[in-house]
Amino acid sequence: IAGITQAPTSQILAAGRRMTLRCTQDMRHNAMYWYRQDLGLGLRLIHYSNTAGTTGKGEVPDGYSVSRANTDDFPLTLASAVPSQTSVYFCASRKDSSNTEAFFGQGTRLTVV
Amino acid sequence: GDSVTQMEGPVTLSEEAFLTINCTYTATGYPSLFWYVQYPGEGLQLLLKATKADDKGSNKGFEATYRKETTSFHLEKGSVQVSDSAVYFCALSDQGGSEKLVFGKGTKLTVNP
Repeated sequence: IAGITQAPTSQILAAGRRMTLRCTQDMRHNAMYWYRQDLGLGLRLIHYSNTAGTTGKGEVPDGYSVSRANTDDFPLTLASAVPSQTSVYFCASRKDSSNTEAFFGQGTRLTVV
Repeated sequence: GDSVTQMEGPVTLSEEAFLTINCTYTATGYPSLFWYVQYPGEGLQLLLKATKADDKGSNKGFEATYRKETTSFHLEKGSVQVSDSAVYFCALSDQGGSEKLVFGKGTKLTVNP
């Protein structure tokens, strides 16, 4: 059982380039999330999706976009990367109700230079 | 909006010491509450949860009680081990329909032998 998988594991990206972080889960979870983790700031929600075909903005959505064409995949796109987007990105999913456990991927370490 | 405040770290303890990490929350309605743990280089994993007032979540010797009157969910362990060294996150899940998970900033715990 794979659970939730993120790719790539790490990436160095030139400023101004476009980048898509991939996230796939095989648990048939309805809800999926993208967070960024920065030292001293904890985890901040970028975008979320309650179910396939719907997305919502989190706390820090600017500069990022997401899509949810199907249940399993929830890619995060940086249209034109900037150094302030250097961070560790985590994808998470959970079944659908508010008291169920969220499962996290291993993270993508992104450095924008 | 909903928010979680947890004690600033880092926290450094000797093995077998007592641990408390404070967590308070602000939410409308009756959220579910969680503690997640992040070991070095890994994603977050659920440590314990509580879904209603006076519930006690417990796992691996850790405990936390959902206190509605003080809007708190403090994490405790009677005797920590070196292997407990990690970052601990308090989180809540609102029930307002968005199913968002809101995290505190994390508390880094180091346990010395």
